[in-house]
Amino acid sequence: DAGVTQSPTHLIKTRGQQVTLRCSPKSGHDTVSWYQQALGQGPQFIFQYYEEEERQRGNFPDRFSGHQFPNYSSELNVNALLLGDSALYLCASSGAGTQYFGPGTRLLVL
Amino acid sequence: TQLLEQSPQFLSIQEGENLTVYCNSSSVFSSLQWYRQEPGEGPVLLVTVVTGGEVKKLKRLTFQFGDARKDSSLHITAAQPGDTGLYLCAGVKVGGTSYGKLTFGQGTILTVHP
Repeated sequence: DAGVTQSPTHLIKTRGQQVTLRCSPKSGHDTVSWYQQALGQGPQFIFQYYEEEERQRGNFPDRFSGHQFPNYSSELNVNALLLGDSALYLCASSGAGTQYFGPGTRLLVL
Repeated sequence: TQLLEQSPQFLSIQEGENLTVYCNSSSVFSSLQWYRQEPGEGPVLLVTVVTGGEVKKLKRLTFQFGDARKDSSLHITAAQPGDTGLYLCAGVKVGGTSYGKLTFGQGTILTVHP
């Protein structure tokens, strides 16, 4: 049983570009949450998707958007990248209980 | 905004020593979770504490939830090099669920030297 998977593992972009990160949840999980973890900090909640809709959102600007597909996989899109968007982006999936985290995508914005 | 403050931020100890990590807030949480994260990996759940005053033990790790459900601690006995990692506490707000938004502390980086 595969756990939560994320792609790509690493990504380098320049300021102003757009990026799409992908997440496949653990088998049987229908809820996907995204977190941003800056270097040396704890993760910060971006948003959560359930039944293909955004159910909760953290304190992030509209440049951060997402999508959930019928197979429960999810994408995180970030537009107009800023240097401060450099971070580890974590995806977590859950059913009706514990959240399981993927290994993350390391994004570097130059 | 509900904030969780962890202390200390860094901890460097010798194998065999004991240590305690603290997680404090001015807000009440319905539950608190402790995670361990290693480089290149996502956080892995260690324990969830739900009831005020609750104490849970996981081998050499002891977790406590404050009576008022505003703080928690993680105590490691006889630390080993394999305990090295980033320890994170995360709270679930009152009325929230364990699969909803988690509010994380900034983490404690633990290094255990052989």
